[in-house]
Amino acid sequence: GESVGLHLPTLSVQEGDNSIINCAYSNSASDYFIWYKQESGKGPQFIIDIRSNMDKRQGQRVTVLLNKTVKHLSLQIAATQPGDSAVYFCAENRKRGSYIPTFGRGTSLIVHP
Amino acid sequence: GAVVSQHPSWVICKSGTSVKIECRSLDFQATTMFWYRQFPKQSLMLMATSNEGSKATYEQGVEKDKFLINHASLTLSTLTVTSAHPEDSSFYICSARKTSGASNEQFFGPGTRLTVL
Repeated sequence: GESVGLHLPTLSVQEGDNSIINCAYSNSASDYFIWYKQESGKGPQFIIDIRSNMDKRQGQRVTVLLNKTVKHLSLQIAATQPGDSAVYFCAENRKRGSYIPTFGRGTSLIVHP
Repeated sequence: GAVVSQHPSWVICKSGTSVKIECRSLDFQATTMFWYRQFPKQSLMLMATSNEGSKATYEQGVEKDKFLINHASLTLSTLTVTSAHPEDSSFYICSARKTSGASNEQFFGPGTRLTVL
């Protein structure tokens, strides 16, 4: 199922399902986006990034989609595993000298075995 | 490679005392490091951008006299919370960006949990 990160902060899925986490960003000048995974009590971990000249990028079991028209980003996780349980943040980056990231609210993904 | 450490991982202090948190890039040089604060179940809020050899750039609303940042070398930045109060209790996270290469990727530390009594 889908979750809009800003309105439904928790997404529960069954192991093996595909997960889709959504994020709306605010600044049309942002041109570089990153998804992070944060496990409880730890720092964020880089998952995948995408530049504004692309609309899709794939990694291992993850895909990021970017829709600049509506300023929307999504993270798709294929065959979700219990180890994927964490909070996922999108970060938009806008160049102010160098890239400065702004983190979105975050979505908690809970994977049930 | 690209490991960032923080010390301490957690600290409990009395109100009114100062606490120093270290952020180190272990296997790379970092001209730029970032300091974030994260309250429970909330997102990371950027506090300041720390540049080696120059003054930090603070985000709006962050008191630079309360949160002192020193980036004296290419592998170390420190954040000192001066005269800490219970409302400063939070999870403080640093990140570092490699000096070399074209990547904009940041590498995050494991965070420091500060509790002010």
